[in-house]
Amino acid sequence: GAVVSQHPSRVICKSGTSVKIECRSLDFQATTMFWYRQFPKQSLMLMATSNEGSKATYEQGVEKDKFLINHASLTLSTLTVTSAHPEDSSFYICSASLQSHYTEAFFGQGTRLTVV
Amino acid sequence: AQKVTQAQTEISVVEKEDVTLDCVYETRDTTYYLFWYKQPPSGELVFLIRRNSFDEQNEISGRYSWNFQKSTSSFNFTITASQVVDSAVYFCALSEGYGSGNTGKLIFGQGTTLQVKP
Repeated sequence: GAVVSQHPSRVICKSGTSVKIECRSLDFQATTMFWYRQFPKQSLMLMATSNEGSKATYEQGVEKDKFLINHASLTLSTLTVTSAHPEDSSFYICSASLQSHYTEAFFGQGTRLTVV
Repeated sequence: AQKVTQAQTEISVVEKEDVTLDCVYETRDTTYYLFWYKQPPSGELVFLIRRNSFDEQNEISGRYSWNFQKSTSSFNFTITASQVVDSAVYFCALSEGYGSGNTGKLIFGQGTTLQVKP
């Protein structure tokens, strides 16, 4: 199967700072990438859909100015959590769809963000 | 509106018991895909199965089997002879659309935590 690499796997940052999470499709081109958030012991909630070369589409209730998404190439999407606060602490996971095969989303390993 | 419901929040079984995880979905789309993922404590999502809405055949893969019934909008997952390594959170998910009409966007259920005790 296709490989999606997410980095970093864990990050601890101070309140008020920004942190960037990268999502890379290693062996395929991904025109669409998705960013999910998972609170402890809860389900995965879609935050935004990222399309290469265009602005991300955010789900209702997700602050686009706080969660900046950039999909500059067919193999890389980044999520930047700006001015992080402890309530932003969560597990963030990305997925990517193959350009010509939309029926399966391949997931990265996830990033556990802790804001102190 | 699309929705996936996993009514069982937590299930605890003893090793070698069979266990079924329930999944009920809602969609107005006539074409869709259903998935099951396993999430071990490390957090990554492990893909288990994908089933499209046209294929109601049950599937068996080793100790895993899936029962898809469109009439009841259910896609249940059974683990036979459970093992301690099966302990994880299991998610059922729905993706609407088919072929090029499907974007890969997933709607997840709440997840079922399975604990298999030795």
